[in-house]
Amino acid sequence: KAGVTQTPRYLIKTRGQQVTLSCSPISGHRSVSWYQQTPGQGLQFLFEYFSETQRNKGNFPGRFSGRQFSNSRSEMNVSTLELGDSALYLCASSTTGTGFGYTFGSGTRLTVV
Amino acid sequence: GENVEQHPSTLSVQEGDSAVIKCTYSDSASNYFPWYKQELGKGPQLIIDIRSNVGEKKDQRIAVTLNKTAKHFSLHITETQPEDSAVYFCAAILSGGYQKVTFGTGTKLQVIP
Repeated sequence: KAGVTQTPRYLIKTRGQQVTLSCSPISGHRSVSWYQQTPGQGLQFLFEYFSETQRNKGNFPGRFSGRQFSNSRSEMNVSTLELGDSALYLCASSTTGTGFGYTFGSGTRLTVV
Repeated sequence: GENVEQHPSTLSVQEGDSAVIKCTYSDSASNYFPWYKQELGKGPQLIIDIRSNVGEKKDQRIAVTLNKTAKHFSLHITETQPEDSAVYFCAAILSGGYQKVTFGTGTKLQVIP
């Protein structure tokens, strides 16, 4: 079956702009979690959506937001980009929820200049 | 909150030797411990996991052990092969209500042919 699809794979944005990343989970998976991966901080949890509701949230500023659609596809938005937002953004889908049986996508590499 | 420490940060072994990666967690309520392998340009892939009611689990050349008293768990890879070269992450899941996931900082394993 198809894996987790993240688009785009690469993105270059300017400070102050906003960006939207997309994640299509494995068919049947209702949970989508988003992570920020950087060399210095490792994998940091952003938020989890389950059946269109945000069920869990990490310690990121309000500039980071997300949503989930009825087909379980999820989007993540970052407004007013900062240089420190440069990272690999990963989404993970699962049937049950945060942390259990994750299947990760290949990520979106965001570079803020 | 939960804190997961992972050691070593880098590990080089000769092909055929064993590799051991250790993680220590702080919250005794954590009850699920997955390990992920991340190859270059890809998202992390779940390779093995263990629950707190089990002390050891094996899957071919990979095994995970859990010591709840000491609050640490380890990944053991035997007969290492070049394709085992990757970054490995441990995680501790605190379930109950809304799960919280804390990842270790990763171990870069290099298997030298």
